[in-house]
Amino acid sequence: EVQLVESGGGLIQPGGSLRLSCAVSGFTVADYYMNWVRQAPGKGLEFVSGIYSGGSTYYADSVRGRFTISRDNSKNTLDLQMNSLRAGDTAVYYCARGVFFGELALDFWGQGTRVSVSS
Amino acid sequence: EIVLTQSPATLSLSPGERATLSCRASQSVSNYLAWYQQKPGQAPRLLIYDTSNRATGIPARFSGSGSGTDFTLTISSLEPEDFAVYYCQQRTNWPPITFGQGTRLEIK
Repeated sequence: EVQLVESGGGLIQPGGSLRLSCAVSGFTVADYYMNWVRQAPGKGLEFVSGIYSGGSTYYADSVRGRFTISRDNSKNTLDLQMNSLRAGDTAVYYCARGVFFGELALDFWGQGTRVSVSS
Repeated sequence: EIVLTQSPATLSLSPGERATLSCRASQSVSNYLAWYQQKPGQAPRLLIYDTSNRATGIPARFSGSGSGTDFTLTISSLEPEDFAVYYCQQRTNWPPITFGQGTRLEIK
């Protein structure tokens, strides 16, 4: 059974750092295009970052230079290091598995972890 | 940058009625569009991939169609559990993944 479980969220002051983790079971993280997608309160879905199976990484303009995506193959986890956090980063952060059918779709999602950036 | 625009923003219908949700791309995205359903407090769930293919376990009342810049998600006969927010999504050159702003399907 495929499962993705995020952790690491919480309340943090502006300028602070958090590290999110997504523990995966049922498949190997290194074999898929893994993503972080966030949802601000009352808003829609926003791509944050992705990492291809080959290791290439991608970031939304709003987080590039502040966030770093990585994976730990030994633990089968996906991580997101978030530095220099801003109020605008407040959101629920989901990890999601990407699959290329004809094109990319996100077929499995975690339940999300909430990040609140506030003084 | 490709922008996905969903309409209407809110759709008010009754159980048993047919729902038609639209997603328009600012430039052609060929035949590759996905649709997701999100209920309050839950993660999104993949409904449709590659415009018209139902994901595993998705009921046949959900169907997708379209090509180029205009796409449609149709729910043939609404069940109470179908009232939710629906998002379209496309993989683009940049950003890698783009979502529409969502359509809220509410009970009339």
